[in-house]
Amino acid sequence: KAGVTQTPRYLIKTRGQQVTLSCSPISGHRSVSWYQQTPGQGLQFLFEYFSETQRNKGNFPGRFSGRQFSNSRSEMNVSTLELGDSALYLCASSWAGVGDTQYFGPGTRLTVL
Amino acid sequence: GENVEQHPSTLSVQEGDSAVIKCTYSDSASNYFPWYKQELGKRPQLIIDIRSNVGEKKDQRIAVTLNKTAKHFSLHITETQPEDSAVYFCAASNFNDYKLSFGAGTTVTVRA
Repeated sequence: KAGVTQTPRYLIKTRGQQVTLSCSPISGHRSVSWYQQTPGQGLQFLFEYFSETQRNKGNFPGRFSGRQFSNSRSEMNVSTLELGDSALYLCASSWAGVGDTQYFGPGTRLTVL
Repeated sequence: GENVEQHPSTLSVQEGDSAVIKCTYSDSASNYFPWYKQELGKRPQLIIDIRSNVGEKKDQRIAVTLNKTAKHFSLHITETQPEDSAVYFCAASNFNDYKLSFGAGTTVTVRA
């Protein structure tokens, strides 16, 4: 069974640009969560989707948005990039959400210059 | 919201010794507590989890204990091996919140 995949793996952007990250969950998983990982803040929850519905959102500015498609693939978008957005963005999938084993993808390393 | 504190931030142990990592949480409604291991440059992987109706769970050399009254839970690794060297994260969640709140992580180094 293929694991969670994320594309692209690495991104370099400049301040003010926008970026879209993609996450393909394990086949059959309907829940996708997104996390931001930085050395100083650890793993911070961004949002969670289940069957195309956002069920929870973390404490991030409105520049961070996401969506989920009918095939459970998910995207997150960050607009008007700031230097502080540089981080590893991880997605995790599970059958139905928290309480089920969350399987993480390899992450997308975003660098904002 | 939920706040999870994790201690210590770094832990160095001799191979064969035990390692203990402790976490406290703030939301008494939390009922699911997973532990993740993240090796350098790799993705986090679930190593063990415990639910609020259980006080202890073991899986070979790894065990987790939960004290709901005190709102803390701990990870115990016995007979540590070099491959146990990694960053370990605890997390807590209420099933109705649909999110995991993570501790800051513990860097474990096992000395040969």
